[in-house]
Amino acid sequence: EVQLVESGGGLIQPGGSLRLSCAASGFAVSRKYMIWARQAPGEGLEWVSVLYSGDKTDYADSVKGRFTVSRDDSENTLFLQMNSLRPEDTATYYCATSYITPGGFDYWGQGALVTVSS
Amino acid sequence: DIVMTQTPLSSRVTPGQPASISCRSSQNLIYSGIADLSWLHQRPGQPPRLLIYRISDRFSGVPDRFSGSGTGTEFTLKISRVEAEDAGVYYCMQAAHFPYTFGQGTKLE
Repeated sequence: EVQLVESGGGLIQPGGSLRLSCAASGFAVSRKYMIWARQAPGEGLEWVSVLYSGDKTDYADSVKGRFTVSRDDSENTLFLQMNSLRPEDTATYYCATSYITPGGFDYWGQGALVTVSS
Repeated sequence: DIVMTQTPLSSRVTPGQPASISCRSSQNLIYSGIADLSWLHQRPGQPPRLLIYRISDRFSGVPDRFSGSGTGTEFTLKISRVEAEDAGVYYCMQAAHFPYTFGQGTKLE
């Protein structure tokens, strides 16, 4: 069964760092397109980053230079390292994969809430 | 960046009646004859759920009352007969070009 479980969210002061994890089961993270998306409270979805075709990455302009996506194949886990956090980064962060649907993200985690506030 | 514009932003539909949501992209999403345009549904407090991918392919387990159609820049999600469980917010998403982008969302009541 395909499952994604995020962890690592919490309350962090502006300028701080946090690392989110997305533990995958039922498939190999290294073999699939993986994305991070976020949703600010009461707002719509915003794409954050992608990891695909081995080690290729891309980022939304709003996080470029501050966030880094990576994976650990031994743990079958996707990570999002978030540095220089800002209040506007406050959101629920979701990881998702394109497991069997080309061009569509068919499995999503439950989300991890990140709150950036002093 | 490709801007995805959804209309309407909200809609109230009587159960049993049809519903339709449009999504317009600022650039053509079709390349090599395919377009990575998908539709997702989100209920309050839940993660998004994939309904439709590549414009018109229904994801496994999605009821056949949901259908997708479209061309390079104009896309439509139709629900033939709305049920109470269809309430929530619907998003179109393009994964044809980086950065991937979502529409603003359409709230269906």
